[in-house]
Amino acid sequence: NAGVTQTPKFRILKIGQSMTLQCTQDMNHNYMYWYRQDPGMGLKLIYYSVGAGITDKGEVPNGYNVSRSTTEDFPLRLELAAPSQTSVYFCASSFSEGRGQPQHFGDGTRLSIL
Amino acid sequence: TQLLEQSPQFLSIQEGENLTVYCNSSSVFSSLQWYRQEPGEGPVLLVTVVTGGEVKKLKRLTFQFGDARKDSSLHITAAQTGDTGLYLCAGVRNQGGKLIFGQGTELSVKP
Repeated sequence: NAGVTQTPKFRILKIGQSMTLQCTQDMNHNYMYWYRQDPGMGLKLIYYSVGAGITDKGEVPNGYNVSRSTTEDFPLRLELAAPSQTSVYFCASSFSEGRGQPQHFGDGTRLSIL
Repeated sequence: TQLLEQSPQFLSIQEGENLTVYCNSSSVFSSLQWYRQEPGEGPVLLVTVVTGGEVKKLKRLTFQFGDARKDSSLHITAAQTGDTGLYLCAGVRNQGGKLIFGQGTELSVKP
């Protein structure tokens, strides 16, 4: 069982370039999330989705876009990469959003903007 | 400002020692989770606590949710090198709310 799969694992971008971080899950979860993790800051929610066709902003959405055309896939798009977007990005999914529901995380994409 | 404050941020101890990590807030949470993250991997859920005063044990790890549901602690007895990692607390404030993470505690257990 693969769980949540993220690609690529590492990427270096130049300022102003664009890219898409891929995330797919095979657990048939409705809820999916994108976080960024910076040293000493924990995880900050970028965007989330409660099902195919439905997305909403999290705490730090500026500079990012998402789409959710299928239950399995939730790609994150950076349109004009900036140095402030250097971070480790995690995708997660959960069955529901009830109290105490666990989130299942991918292994992350380490992104550097130079 | 962090809604969930973890302390300490860094902890380096010898194998066999005991330790406690704290997760504090001025807000009430309906549930609180603890995750452990190893280098190059995503966080993995250790436990969820939902009732004020609740205590859960996972082998040598003991988790407690404060009576007022504003704080939690993780106690590790006789730490082992395999306990090394980043420990994250995360809470939900109300139904439908999103998971809010603390900044993490980096634990290093030396042989």
